[in-house]
Parts: sequence; structure tokens; C-alpha cells
Amino acid sequence: DAGVTQSPTHLIKTRGQHVTLRCSPISGHKSVSWYQQVLGQGPQFIFQYYEKEERGRGNFPDRFSARQFPNYSSELNVNALLLGDSALYLCASSLFWGGTYEQYFGPGTRLTVT
Amino acid sequence: SQQGEEDPQALSIQEGENATMNCSYKTSINNLQWYRQNSGRGLVHLILIRSNEREKHSGRLRVTLDTSKKSSSLLITASRAADTASYFCATDFLSGAGSYQLTFGKGTKLSVIP
Repeated sequence: DAGVTQSPTHLIKTRGQHVTLRCSPISGHKSVSWYQQVLGQGPQFIFQYYEKEERGRGNFPDRFSARQFPNYSSELNVNALLLGDSALYLCASSLFWGGTYEQYFGPGTRLTVT
Repeated sequence: SQQGEEDPQALSIQEGENATMNCSYKTSINNLQWYRQNSGRGLVHLILIRSNEREKHSGRLRVTLDTSKKSSSLLITASRAADTASYFCATDFLSGAGSYQLTFGKGTKLSVIP
């Protein structure tokens, strides 16, 4: 089975621009979460979507938004990019099992803002 | 904000030796999970330990959890060069509203020298 896929792999943008990152979950997984990982730090939670509805949001500004489509794929949008948005963006798809979610991470999209 | 703090930040050992990484966290947890990350790419799930468990094994991995001290440890026995990676602990939280998120520490960078 295919794992979580993310596109693009790498992206370079200029301050003030907008970016859209994409994620396709594992077949059968209805939940997608997004994390931001700045160099040298652990990932930080941005959003969780389940059945196309936002279930959770981390401490990120409104410039960050996301959505989930009927096929459970997801997009993360970031407006008015800042240098500090440079990071690895990880998508995780989840299966609810045994009272908790098992999260499977994609390879990530590395965003560089110049 | 980071929930867990791994210790040490970096660890260098010879192939065949054991590697021990520690994680401390601040609030009550449902589960604690350990992940591996190679070269800033996607996260690979290693093991999940529930809050009512004290020890868990998976192959060469042994995880302990002490909820009274809010700490966990990951032991990798008979290390291999391929174990070279960053290791993260993550606590999870599932709200009554169905929101689920992982909170990661900053990670331990393990180098296994052949």
C-alpha cells in the first residue's frame, strides 16, 4: 500500500507570497494532520481534519489555513509568507484504533522563504 | 510549545553499543510515542506506550514510562550504523471533542559510528 504522499518535495518562495502544500493520506484514513518543523526543533501541531471538518488547531496565526477534500486529501495554505515560515511541513494521516489515533507521517515538504 | 524534552540533545556511540535516550514531559498524558527521523525527512513511528503501561519492547527497542516522574526512556540495544537518526518523544492528547494532536520534544540526535 502507498504511504502518505506530499507535494511538492521542495519549494522556494519570496516573502509576502502565498503557498499551497498538498497531502494524500493512506487509503482508508479519514484524518489528516499538519505539523511544522523548524530546523533543530521537534514538529509543532498546526491542524487536524477529520471527515472534512477541522477538529483541532495549534497556536498558529490566521495566515495558516487548511482544508480536506471528499477523497480525504488535504491542502495547507500559508499567506503573506514570512522568513520564519521556512520549515519542513509534515502531513500525517491517521487511523482511529484502540482508543487513540495511529499517525503515519509523509516525507514532508521543505519550504524556504527568501 | 514543546511538551517533551529529550536528553541528551546529541549522543555518539560505537556500533554494537546500547543507546539510551530520555524524555521528560510536563502534563498528564494518554500515551507517549517515540519516533525516528532520518536527515530531516518524515517521521517513522517506533513504539507507543500507554499511560497505564510501565515497559514495552519491540525488537531491539525497549521503552519505559514513569508517570510519577513524568519521564520515559528509549533503549536501543546492539546499535547499528543504520540507527543513526534523530529520535523524538511525543505525548498525545485526545479531547472530548475528538481533537487529536501530538506534542513533540526537541529530539536526540544519535550517531552510531561503524
